[in-house]
Amino acid sequence: GQNIDQPTEMTATEGAIVQINCTYQTSGFNGLFWYQQHAGEAPTFLSYNVLDGLEEKGRFSSFLSRSKGYSYLLLKELQMKDSASYLCAGRVISSYKLIFGSGTRLLVRP
Amino acid sequence: GAGVSQSPSNKVTEKGKDVELRCDPISGHTALYWYRQSLGQGLEFLIYFQGNSAPDKSGLPSDRFSAERTGGSVSTLTIQRTQQEDSAVYLCASSFSRDEYEQYFGPGTRLTVT
Repeated sequence: GQNIDQPTEMTATEGAIVQINCTYQTSGFNGLFWYQQHAGEAPTFLSYNVLDGLEEKGRFSSFLSRSKGYSYLLLKELQMKDSASYLCAGRVISSYKLIFGSGTRLLVRP
Repeated sequence: GAGVSQSPSNKVTEKGKDVELRCDPISGHTALYWYRQSLGQGLEFLIYFQGNSAPDKSGLPSDRFSAERTGGSVSTLTIQRTQQEDSAVYLCASSFSRDEYEQYFGPGTRLTVT
């Protein structure tokens, strides 16, 4: 199977830390992407993990555990502009297709 | 440099009509992808092109959908005999090659079938 699951909505407070989880069936994918999409705009690339572990890029970090079929995106020092949808996507093995989850809509409140 | 561009930005059409959506990828990018995004949903893969290789059409939802890429650059997605369920935002993305993991997305075409 090629399901990607992530929570529909999350709410967090400005300045705080939030973790957005993504789970997938391990047999289907090679590599996990995270994209950010503001309302009415195109998705923009945030991160790509192909090996286990944590990758940090400024305020954003992404983690992957291939054996558990689990990834998360960690956003630190939240800002109001971080309010957006966060899309998790897996690259299908032996293909170049990306399968996207439905996205997590994050609302950052003052 | 210029990003991925798509036209039109909005298209309203009557059920049963054909529509053509255009994508201009970033110059030099050999891989081109089409996705569809329904309201409040994630992206649904439709098709991708890599250079002169045969495209991967496995995501096209029906034979009413087709796409071509001329000269390895501009791509056109055609939907024949449109149905209301075709209403969505159609997004195009390109990357330097299919092994280049970062895909750059265009602004999309919002298609409304009435």
